[in-house]
Amino acid sequence: AQTVTQSQPEMSVQEAETVTLSCTYDTSESDYYLFWYKQPPSRQMILVIRQEAYKQQNATENRFSVNFQKAAKSFSLKISDSQLGDAAMYFCAYRSAWGNEKLTFGTGTRLTIIP
Amino acid sequence: EAGVAQSPRYKIIEKRQSVAFWCNPISGHATLYWYQQILGQGPKLLIQFQNNGVVDDSQLPKDRFSAERLKGVDSTLKIQPAKLEDSAVYLCASSLVGENTEAFFGQGTRLTVV
Repeated sequence: AQTVTQSQPEMSVQEAETVTLSCTYDTSESDYYLFWYKQPPSRQMILVIRQEAYKQQNATENRFSVNFQKAAKSFSLKISDSQLGDAAMYFCAYRSAWGNEKLTFGTGTRLTIIP
Repeated sequence: EAGVAQSPRYKIIEKRQSVAFWCNPISGHATLYWYQQILGQGPKLLIQFQNNGVVDDSQLPKDRFSAERLKGVDSTLKIQPAKLEDSAVYLCASSLVGENTEAFFGQGTRLTVV
């Protein structure tokens, strides 16, 4: 079974600065997808960024980028120019490329933005 | 495009009572998921439907939890009888069928069992 580990329960960053959230995972599969989701107090999970394991290029979405290290099974999220609206819980998630499409989540990192 | 709708938003019940949650997925999404998110943890899949068939219910406590998806659209998750440890947020999500698809989540139902 796949597992996802987020070792930082809480992180904080000054507004406009850069912060990196860590995630490691364990799998025996070679094809899979990795995701970062944001969960604000409204509780709705919002997809921030996704990475296909077969792609060597790191995914980017505006101020959000990932550092995907397949051999190390590491998938960190970098948020540049942090904004107050980035404050939320961030969850790393894994999904197999085969079989059903269920997501396996980590325990989350609470990100606080300091004005 | 309307998102995934869930109701109620909040529910407080006493232990041993019954409760039901409702989910209406995004139109056209054949796959529907129910996740349980206990405070301080990430969401855990309870059950996954494709149309009105069950794909995965391996983590569903079947002695007290049940779910159905009649006509392959709306879904209901029921707990009977509830225990204190069932206090959690119950998230519904939906997606198209296929490898390269995205799951869209509703705002969840926060259940408190006292």
